[in-house]
Amino acid sequence: LAKTTQPISMDSYEGQEVNITCSHNNIATNDYITWYQQFPSQGPRFIIQGYKTKVTNEVASLFIPADRKSSTLSLPRVSLSDTAVYYCLVGMGYSTLTFGKGTMLLVSP
Amino acid sequence: DTGVSQDPRHKITKRGQNVTFRCDPISEHNRLYWYRQTLGQGPEFLTYFQNEAQLEKSRLLSDRFSAERPKGSFSTLEIQRTEQGDSAMYLCASSPGLVSYEQYFGPGTRLTVT
Repeated sequence: LAKTTQPISMDSYEGQEVNITCSHNNIATNDYITWYQQFPSQGPRFIIQGYKTKVTNEVASLFIPADRKSSTLSLPRVSLSDTAVYYCLVGMGYSTLTFGKGTMLLVSP
Repeated sequence: DTGVSQDPRHKITKRGQNVTFRCDPISEHNRLYWYRQTLGQGPEFLTYFQNEAQLEKSRLLSDRFSAERPKGSFSTLEIQRTEQGDSAMYLCASSPGLVSYEQYFGPGTRLTVT
């Protein structure tokens, strides 16, 4: 399984765009990149998944460069309710999920 | 609400006691997963089922742990002779098919062993 590295924590203010970068130098050809969000005392929630270039949904955008050795989760105009832990996962999709410690995002007023 | 449900939400038990948790997945999902999460860490995989078959177990799942999914519906996770190190959040997730990267998690059962 490809190992991922992401910042332990990030701070932001309401209304700002937040970009969380994840490094995955050993990503394999068949691996997808998936991001989950977890609020305190809740289970993780799937946010977005991609293989290459850019993926956008109603919650976030995922930017993946051509070499796929990193990815960036972009949250537009964050609010206080976006305060959560964000996990970057890499895998084929046929294997079980392997979570790291994630990035704790704190959004302040 | 048609999401994944878990029962109980909280459990306090004394060391040495047995505990059992229940997970009800989303009804049309044939894959069911159990994870354990301790403070400050991401969820750690324990085991998963494809319908009623238990297909994979983590090395974290010691002999004191057993999971079942009779009839491919709900699942139970039992911990025998609990230890203080078993204190954690136990999460259940389900997914509809072979591709597992989009899993739907329940709220978890928080276990405290005193």
